[in-house]
Amino acid sequence: EAGVVQSPRYKIIEKKQPVAFWCNPISGHNTLYWYLQNLGQGPELLIRYENEEAVDDSQLPKDRFSAERLKGVDSTLKIQPAELGDSAVYLCASSLGAGGETQYFGPGTRLLVL
Amino acid sequence: AQSVAQPEDQVNVAEGNPLTVKCTYSVSGNPYLFWYVQYPNRGLQFLLKYITGDNLVKGSYGFEAEFNKSQTSFHLKKPSALVSDSALYFCAVRDMVHDYKLSFGAGTTVTVRA
Repeated sequence: EAGVVQSPRYKIIEKKQPVAFWCNPISGHNTLYWYLQNLGQGPELLIRYENEEAVDDSQLPKDRFSAERLKGVDSTLKIQPAELGDSAVYLCASSLGAGGETQYFGPGTRLLVL
Repeated sequence: AQSVAQPEDQVNVAEGNPLTVKCTYSVSGNPYLFWYVQYPNRGLQFLLKYITGDNLVKGSYGFEAEFNKSQTSFHLKKPSALVSDSALYFCAVRDMVHDYKLSFGAGTTVTVRA
């Protein structure tokens, strides 16, 4: 069974440029998460989707970040415009549901903003 | 608010020796507890979880963890470490009120020397 797929794996952009990350969850997983992982730290939740609905985006900086999961399967996370402080790893995870279900993570997209 | 503490930034052991990675947590209710491992330039890989039941949980690659409610701990253990166990380990907790939000510790880097 394929795991969570993310692309691109690496991205280098200049500040003020836009960037987008794509995630395809494990087949059948209704819940999708986007996390931010700064160097030397654990992941922090940005947004959670139940199917196509964003049920928790309280940690998403909405002035520059946006996300969508239009058909309840794959998802895109966008930053516009990017700032130097956005350099980090962006992780996507999925699970069958919430509760005690295990979250399975993709390999992440490493973003460097110059 | 829920939180996780991993008191050791680094753990160094010799191959064949026991490995312990410590984790303590704080939640308002009963916890769901998870351990993940992260290899360089990879996403987080699920090792094991405690939801309910037996306090000793067995997971992948010979790892196990013991839930101790009185000490609010969930230490990860392996009886005989391998060089290939060298990686970054994260403990995470989810309480049953905010049942989707995983809070991660800062991580512990494990180095197993040959």
